[in-house]
Amino acid sequence: KAGVTQTPRYLIKTRGQQVTLSCSPISGHRSVSWYQQTPGQGLQFLFEYFSETQRNKGNFPGRFSGRQFSNSRSEMNVSTLELGDSALYLCASSLHQGIGYEQYFGPGTRLTVT
Amino acid sequence: KQEVTQIPAALSVPEGENLVLNCSFTDSAIYNLQWFRQDPGKGLTSLLLIQSSQREQTSGRLNASLDKSSGRSTLYIAASQPGDSATYLCAVKTGANNLFFGTGTRLTVIP
Repeated sequence: KAGVTQTPRYLIKTRGQQVTLSCSPISGHRSVSWYQQTPGQGLQFLFEYFSETQRNKGNFPGRFSGRQFSNSRSEMNVSTLELGDSALYLCASSLHQGIGYEQYFGPGTRLTVT
Repeated sequence: KQEVTQIPAALSVPEGENLVLNCSFTDSAIYNLQWFRQDPGKGLTSLLLIQSSQREQTSGRLNASLDKSSGRSTLYIAASQPGDSATYLCAVKTGANNLFFGTGTRLTVIP
């Protein structure tokens, strides 16, 4: 069974632009979570989607948004990029929503904002 | 708010040595704790997951223990190898379906 895939793997954007990252969960998994990893803040939870609805949200500004499609694929969008948004963005999928389900992580998208 | 700390931040050991990585968390009301490995610039690989009702989990040369009441977990790596060099992260899951990650321990195993 294929793992979690994320596209693109690397991205360079200019401050003020917007960006969309994509995540395809493991087949059959219905919950998708997004995390941001930076050297200063470490790994932080962004949001979780299940059944096309945002179920849980971390402490990030409204410039960070996401959505989930009927096939469970998810996208996250960052508008008006800032230098501090440079990070590794990780997507994780789990079979179902709920605390008992293990999350499986993708390879990440490395975003560089110049 | 849950805070997860890992000590030491970096560790360098000669090949073959046994080692212990530490993880502590402030809120003991966790549902599970997970240890991950991250190679430079890569995603996370899950190593071990311990449910809150469990005391330890083992996989090969890895053994993780959990003491929920004291807010501590340890990851024991036996007979370390150069291929074990990576950053090790612990994460706890609380009431919502999101993980709180520690700061990581960067391990270097010297051949």
